[in-house]
Amino acid sequence: EVHLLDSGGGLVQPGESLRLSCAASGLPFSLYAMTWVRQAPGKGLEWVSSISGSGANTYYGDSVKGRFTISRDNSKDTLFLQMNSLRAEDTAIYYCTKCVAEGGHCYFDSWGQGTLVTVSS
Amino acid sequence: EIVMTQSPATLSVSPGERVTLSCRASQSVFSSLAWYQQKPGQVPRLLIYTTSIRATDIPGRFSGSGSATEFTLTISSLQSEDFAVYYCQQYQYWPPTFGGGTKVEIK
Repeated sequence: EVHLLDSGGGLVQPGESLRLSCAASGLPFSLYAMTWVRQAPGKGLEWVSSISGSGANTYYGDSVKGRFTISRDNSKDTLFLQMNSLRAEDTAIYYCTKCVAEGGHCYFDSWGQGTLVTVSS
Repeated sequence: EIVMTQSPATLSVSPGERVTLSCRASQSVFSSLAWYQQKPGQVPRLLIYTTSIRATDIPGRFSGSGSATEFTLTISSLQSEDFAVYYCQQYQYWPPTFGGGTKVEIK
């Protein structure tokens, strides 16, 4: 069974940084693209960023491009999201998800429990 | 970016009723459409992918249909555990995009 454990969230002030982690188990981690999806309080789901299995290819939503960096350590089965220059609108639960690729694009069949990021002064 | 529009935003239903949720794409996404269920305080769960294929352990009362720009999630007989928010997601084009969700609440 796939298990994704998100961590690293917290309360930060605008302009500060935070690094999220997602520890994966129960899957050949390096074979799967991974994705961060977020959900603002009381709102819907928003794709944030994806990374290929090897880590060679990364993708970002327009709202986070240039501020967030996705990476992975396949030797430790861990996914990361480095978030810089945080804004109030980045406040959300961040979910690590496993990508099932069809034609190169993803749907998400496994989700972490989520980690809450709150950006407020 | 493909815009996904779900309707209605909220649906009030009695247990045992048949429920139909709609999802529309701003352009054809062929059959690259998934549905997720999110119960209050819980993590989203994959229900359906490729328009109509049930994910692992999803009960048979859930079914998906449609193509191109119009998609439907049907719950044949609503159970108490099915009250939740349902999201559609297209993955034909980058970036993957979600609909705004339909909340199924108790009537």
